[in-house]
Amino acid sequence: NAGVTQTPKFRVLKTGQSMTLLCAQDMNHEYMYWYRQDPGMGLRLIHYSVGEGTTAKGEVPDGYNVSRLKKQNFLLGLESAAPSQTSVYFCAIGAGLDTQYFGPGTRLTVL
Amino acid sequence: KQEVTQIPAALSVPEGENLVLNCSFTDSAIYNLQWFRQDPGKGLTSLLLIQSSQREQTSGRLNASLDKSSGRSTLYIAASQPGDSATYLCAVKTPDNFNKFYFGSGTKLNVKP
Repeated sequence: NAGVTQTPKFRVLKTGQSMTLLCAQDMNHEYMYWYRQDPGMGLRLIHYSVGEGTTAKGEVPDGYNVSRLKKQNFLLGLESAAPSQTSVYFCAIGAGLDTQYFGPGTRLTVL
Repeated sequence: KQEVTQIPAALSVPEGENLVLNCSFTDSAIYNLQWFRQDPGKGLTSLLLIQSSQREQTSGRLNASLDKSSGRSTLYIAASQPGDSATYLCAVKTPDNFNKFYFGSGTKLNVKP
C-alpha cells in the first residue's frame, strides 16, 4: 500500500453523526477513487476524481460527498451516517486507465 | 450491467498443490481484467493485468488467462505455499467507463502446511 494512506483506520459513529475520511497520496497520480467493501459483495465504487478540482459519481454515491481540492488528497464525507454505511472503505489511486493502487482501508461502524 | 462472479467463494488446499481460481463476467465487451490479492485487514495488491487483446499474463508462479468470448478468466497458482493464503479478487473494466472496476466477491484461499 506504499504511497496511499487513509485516515482514520477505524471509526465508530452513531446514526446521524458526520465524519470525513481522508485519502492522501505521494505518487502524484491524477486518478483517485473511493470504494466500499461489504461481505459477499466485492468492492463497489462510490465516487472518483480524474484530477484536482474534479469529482464524479460511481456506482453507489448516495449518502456520500467528496472533494479534491488538492491533487494529493481525496476526501470522502458522510453528512448523516446510517447503519447501512457500515463497511470497509478503500481509497485507490491510478496514473492512467489500467491498474489502481489501494490504501489499507478504513473500517467504519455506524451504530 | 456487467456482473462478475467468482467461484468457489472459499478453497482449502494442501501445500504444493497446483490450483485454479475462476472468474466469469456477463458482458464480453471488456477493456481489461485484473487479478488482485487481499490479505486480511489490508488493501488490494495488483497481481496481473490482462488487456482485452491478450490471452494470458504470467508472473512467477501465477498465470492468468482470458477468454473474452466465453466471459471467463482463470488464475493458475503453481506449487501453492502457505504464504499464498489470501482472498483473490478479479475485476473488469468496460469501455463505457474506464474509471470503473466491476469486482467479483473474491475467492478466499487457504493453503495448509
